Amino acid sequence: EVQLLESGGALVQPGGSLRLSCAASGFTFSSYAMAWVRQTPGTGLEWVASVGPSFGTYYADSVKGRFTISRDNSKNTVYLQMNSLTVDDTAVYYCAKDGQLVVGWFDPWGQGTLVTVSS
Amino acid sequence: DIQMTQSPSSLSASVGDRVTITCRTSQTITKYLNWYQQKPGKAPRLLIYTASSLQSGVPSRFRGSGSATDFTLTISGLQPEDFATYYCQQGYSAPWTFGQGTKVEV
Repeated sequence: EVQLLESGGALVQPGGSLRLSCAASGFTFSSYAMAWVRQTPGTGLEWVASVGPSFGTYYADSVKGRFTISRDNSKNTVYLQMNSLTVDDTAVYYCAKDGQLVVGWFDPWGQGTLVTVSS
Repeated sequence: DIQMTQSPSSLSASVGDRVTITCRTSQTITKYLNWYQQKPGKAPRLLIYTASSLQSGVPSRFRGSGSATDFTLTISGLQPEDFATYYCQQGYSAPWTFGQGTKVEV
């Protein structure tokens, strides 16, 4: 069974940084792209970033230059380093498995981790 | 970016009803449209991929159709566990974008 377990969500001040982790199991992690998708009550679901099996990275314009997605295939883990956080980054962040290429097909998703940016 | 427009934003239905949700995209995405179901406090779950393919384990009462810019999710014989919010999402080109959701209520 594929399982994704996010961690690292917290309350952080505007301008601060945070790193999210997503530990994966139940599939050949190195063969699949992985993604982060966030959800807020106001803006719904928003794709944030993806990393391919060959480590190519892709970002939404709203986070480009501030967030960095990476993966460690030895640990079956994908990360999201978030810098220069603003209140608009407040959301539940989900990790999701993509296809064997970056195809924008998210299944399954983790349970989510809450990031709150507030002073 | 490809814009997604879902309708309606919410609907009321009863067990046994047939429910139809539509999704329109701002440009053609051929068949690269996915549907997700989300229940309160849970992560989204993939139901339908590439417009009409049923994800493994999803009941056959869920059906997706459409192509180009117009897509439909139909639930035939609504069950109590189907009351949830449904989202469409285009997988044609990054940035991957989602519809605003349709809440199916009792």
